[in-house]
Amino acid sequence: GEDVEQSLFLSVREGDSSVINCTYTDSSSTYLYWYKQEPGAGLQLLTYIFSNMDMKQDQRLTVLLNKKDKHLSLRIADTQTGDSAIYFCAERFGDDKIIFGKGTRLHILP
Amino acid sequence: SAVISQKPSRDICQRGTSLTIQCQVDSQVTMMFWYRQQPGQSLTLIATANQGSEATYESGFVIDKFPISRPNLTFSTLTVSNMSPEDSSIYLCSVQKLAESTDTQYFGPGTRLTVL
Repeated sequence: GEDVEQSLFLSVREGDSSVINCTYTDSSSTYLYWYKQEPGAGLQLLTYIFSNMDMKQDQRLTVLLNKKDKHLSLRIADTQTGDSAIYFCAERFGDDKIIFGKGTRLHILP
Repeated sequence: SAVISQKPSRDICQRGTSLTIQCQVDSQVTMMFWYRQQPGQSLTLIATANQGSEATYESGFVIDKFPISRPNLTFSTLTVSNMSPEDSSIYLCSVQKLAESTDTQYFGPGTRLTVL
């Protein structure tokens, strides 16, 4: 069945790059997303990538997709304290089905 | 994008009671969804709220426990019925907009429910 896996925690020093990884099992996805959830808030769409792309860059965010290995990553350059949040990887199938990972909690060290 | 509000933002309820959560969107949307986010778990889709007809429920969720209404293209409610402590969770409304080429889903701030 469909499954999306993420590591649960990541600690990064302020100013360094953060790389959050995600693996998925089903290769029939159409889009892959990264959502950010700050404490007490809903999920905010950060970025997305079409399944036929292998890279997308948006300011400090870089998404890499390796379809062969079913691996998705989100790189945040120059990590700031405001980047502290839970990051969810999500995979879309068909018109309306999205499977989410459990989220990676990013902790910023001073 | 879409601006989504949910009411209440949080509530503490007694076992056996019911709570209705409201979701309001600032523009017309094609699809509205209800998710549950249990502690330490990923988001789980409860159902798709269909405008003018019965909601479509995912495996493990039933209408008697989670009745849903969607009277128009900008509003939906989810009721958590006959609550038990296992229903303690964050409930999130999500929408997909008309003519969005990315099929992007936007999420509300969530309703944090604690059942005693």
